[in-house]
Amino acid sequence: QVQLVQSGAEVTKSGASLKVSCKASGYTFTAYYIHWVRQAPGQGLEWMGWINPNNGGTNYAQKFQGRVAMTSDTSIGTTYMELSRLRSDDTAVYYCARNKGGTAPRGGWFDPWGQGTLVTVSS
Amino acid sequence: QSALTQPASVSGSPGQSITISCTGISSDVGTYNLVSWYQQHPGKVPKLMIYEGSKRPSGVSNRFSGSKSGNTASLTISGLQAEDESNYYCCSYVGSNAYWVFGGGTKLTVL
Repeated sequence: QVQLVQSGAEVTKSGASLKVSCKASGYTFTAYYIHWVRQAPGQGLEWMGWINPNNGGTNYAQKFQGRVAMTSDTSIGTTYMELSRLRSDDTAVYYCARNKGGTAPRGGWFDPWGQGTLVTVSS
Repeated sequence: QSALTQPASVSGSPGQSITISCTGISSDVGTYNLVSWYQQHPGKVPKLMIYEGSKRPSGVSNRFSGSKSGNTASLTISGLQAEDESNYYCCSYVGSNAYWVFGGGTKLTVL
């Protein structure tokens, strides 16, 4: 079955960088864009951006531009989201999700989602 | 890009119907029929309930339906059941820059 499995929880310090992985299985990895979405404790969902695993093309939400980098490794079917210059308000659960309904630049929806990775940033 | 506007909470009794609204602007909800809805139980992963405004994925109960009028999308749950108590989020594609934007979420309480 289609599945996205993310790396485990992380605790890190303000100012540091963090890289979360998302391994895909059950479908052709390069055929679907991957989104990253985060959720701060007790808060709503926030879209961060997408990556085209086929060619590495990306599109980031304006809020994260300059601080986020999404990459992919087609040899192992894995995408990565790296967030730099971490702050305490970056403490959140980070999700990857597959784009369905065509290529991301044309729209779509998120299905399925990874299990989430809790990132805790301490000062 | 501003978040879509959802009511913070709605409630209903078992068997009743409720509707959750999701208001955007002409450049997102108003232009594209690409609103999706997600159900998220506390501590769990979001689950797709509606896509392309009104379509249900396989396995989602037909008690869930979606619609759109102008800049407002809606999720209706009929025949409320205790298991429907959850948080619901709408999401829209914003074509001008290939972004997505979520609503702030609505907590549904089944009385």
